[in-house]
Amino acid sequence: KAGVTQTPRYLIKTRGQQVTLSCSPISGHRSVSWYQQTPGQGLQFLFEYFSETQRNKGNFPGRFSGRQFSNSRSEMNVSTLELGDSALYLCASSARLAGNSYEQYFGPGTRLTVT
Amino acid sequence: GNSVTQMEGPVTLSEEAFLTINCTYTATGYPSLFWYVQYPGEGLQLLLKATKADDKGSNKGFEATYRKETTSFHLEKGSVQVSDSAVYFCALRSRSNDYKLSFGAGTTVTVRA
Repeated sequence: KAGVTQTPRYLIKTRGQQVTLSCSPISGHRSVSWYQQTPGQGLQFLFEYFSETQRNKGNFPGRFSGRQFSNSRSEMNVSTLELGDSALYLCASSARLAGNSYEQYFGPGTRLTVT
Repeated sequence: GNSVTQMEGPVTLSEEAFLTINCTYTATGYPSLFWYVQYPGEGLQLLLKATKADDKGSNKGFEATYRKETTSFHLEKGSVQVSDSAVYFCALRSRSNDYKLSFGAGTTVTVRA
């Protein structure tokens, strides 16, 4: 079974631009979560989608948004990029939405550099 | 709110040495606890998990026991290999936090031959 795929793997953008990252979950998984990883802040939860609906959201400004399609693929968008948005963006998929013990499977991430 | 505290790294060991990474947590209710590993240039992989008190998670020679009385979930491996060099993250999820994963800061482990 194929794992979680993220595209692109690397991206360089300029301040003020916007960017869209894509995540394809494991086949059959309906929940997709996004995380931002930076050396200073560590791993922080962005949002979670399930069946095309945002079910959970972290403490990020409105410049960060996302969506999920009917095939469970998800995109996240960051508008008006700032230098501090440079990070590794990780996507994780799981079969279920709720519950303490369900496992999340992570993709390799997209490395975004803002100059 | 929920939080996870890991011992700071980096940790440098020789092959076949014993590894311990301390992890303590703060959470309401009964969280599930996880250890994830991140190899250079890759995403996170679930290493092991425990869902209730006194559970022991184990995988690839790594073990961690859910200790509710000390709110801890320390990771141990008896004999590390060079291939264990990675960043290790302790994490928890609980209903009180809408099942969002809360991660520790990560501990970088380097194993030398």
